[in-house]
Amino acid sequence: NAGVTQTPKFRILKIGQSMTLQCTQDMNHNYMYWYRQDPGMGLKLIYYSVGAGITDKGEVPNGYNVSRSTTEDFPLRLELAAPSQTSVYFCASSYSEGDAFFGQGTRLTVV
Amino acid sequence: AQSVTQLGSHVSVSEGALVLLRCNYSSSVPPYLFWYVQYPNQGLQLLLKYTTGATLVKGINGFEAEFKKSETSFHLTKPSAHMSDAAEYFCAVSGRLRSYDKVIFGPGTSLSVIP
Repeated sequence: NAGVTQTPKFRILKIGQSMTLQCTQDMNHNYMYWYRQDPGMGLKLIYYSVGAGITDKGEVPNGYNVSRSTTEDFPLRLELAAPSQTSVYFCASSYSEGDAFFGQGTRLTVV
Repeated sequence: AQSVTQLGSHVSVSEGALVLLRCNYSSSVPPYLFWYVQYPNQGLQLLLKYTTGATLVKGINGFEAEFKKSETSFHLTKPSAHMSDAAEYFCAVSGRLRSYDKVIFGPGTSLSVIP
């Protein structure tokens, strides 16, 4: 049972480039989340989804997009990378009122 | 609205000593409270949580926390630190949890354990 899997683990982007962070879960959770983690700031919610075809903004959605075409996958898209998006990104999933399970994170640097 | 503060961004303890990580919260409704641990280059793992009932909550790896409503606190303790406890610890709060889009995470406390 893999849980929540994120790819890639590390990435360096140039300013203005685009990329997609992949997240997949095999627990049949209906809820999925994307967070970013910055030093001394805790985790901030970017986007979340309560089921396939349904997404909503979190606290810090600007510069990001998501889609949820299947229960398992919840990719996060950065369209025009900026240095402010340098961060560690975590995907998580849960049942609607259950504990969240987190992936191992993607460390992104924008230069 | 909910918020979380964690006193001390970095805490050092000697191996075998008491671990005390402080968390205070504010919430307009009865809160759900969580402690998460993050080991280096890993995702977050749930240590323990308070929902309702007994205010002293026991978690994994010998950790426990006590919900004190009068002090709006949920401090994390462990009687004897082990080297493997070195990690980042996050306190989190939500009001009557429906899903994690309502969970607010604190800034974290980095715990170092000195041999």
